[in-house]
Amino acid sequence: DSGVTQTPKHLITATGQRVTLRCSPRSGDLSVYWYQQSLDQGLQFLIQYYNGEERAKGNILERFSAQQFPDLHSELNLSSLELGDSALYFCASSGTGTGPGELFFGEGSRLTVL
Amino acid sequence: AQSVAQPEDQVNVAEGNPLTVKCTYSVSGNPYLFWYVQYPNRGLQFLLKYITGDNLVKGSYGFEAEFNKSQTSFHLKKPSALVSDSALYFCAVRDGGGADGLTFGKGTHLIIQP
Repeated sequence: DSGVTQTPKHLITATGQRVTLRCSPRSGDLSVYWYQQSLDQGLQFLIQYYNGEERAKGNILERFSAQQFPDLHSELNLSSLELGDSALYFCASSGTGTGPGELFFGEGSRLTVL
Repeated sequence: AQSVAQPEDQVNVAEGNPLTVKCTYSVSGNPYLFWYVQYPNRGLQFLLKYITGDNLVKGSYGFEAEFNKSQTSFHLKKPSALVSDSALYFCAVRDGGGADGLTFGKGTHLIIQP
């Protein structure tokens, strides 16, 4: 158990809809990362937050947004969903107690867009 | 920009034989290199990392990796494979002087045959 919790584990929705994925990092970790894993694109970095502030941005679409709250949990909002957004979305966290680049991953939220 | 290449989609090894999973990288600064493993329906787990120091790095479950600066490679190795090593392996890189986010390769399926 990595200590990172993601909800929901599975989500099925229709095109055009909006969903929110939630992540609770390991206790004390200030950094939260979001990744998208799909068969054709592999594991793509979306965005990183550190202590509530956006720290780095990767291949995140404009239809997607994220935030990190004062209690350090994070949410990834996906809107105007398309079939191609179907993927496994991972949250990871890291903190001062871990070495650089050592990320702790949650078990992911599997999104299916029909 | 940083990138990682894992040239093999799949590696098949007989149980008890040595295994190698290949990784090459490109980064502008000093590389921080990582290996992660993903079991079916699970999140990624950290295996090992190279930051500085000895080129041979030892990690979890008997795995090790060799950093070769001249060949920009960081191949994952194990002297004697177990069936339970069968999983998806990801190599990742970040620029030592850059942002925290990791860039992952597309992953290599390692299949250990009994």
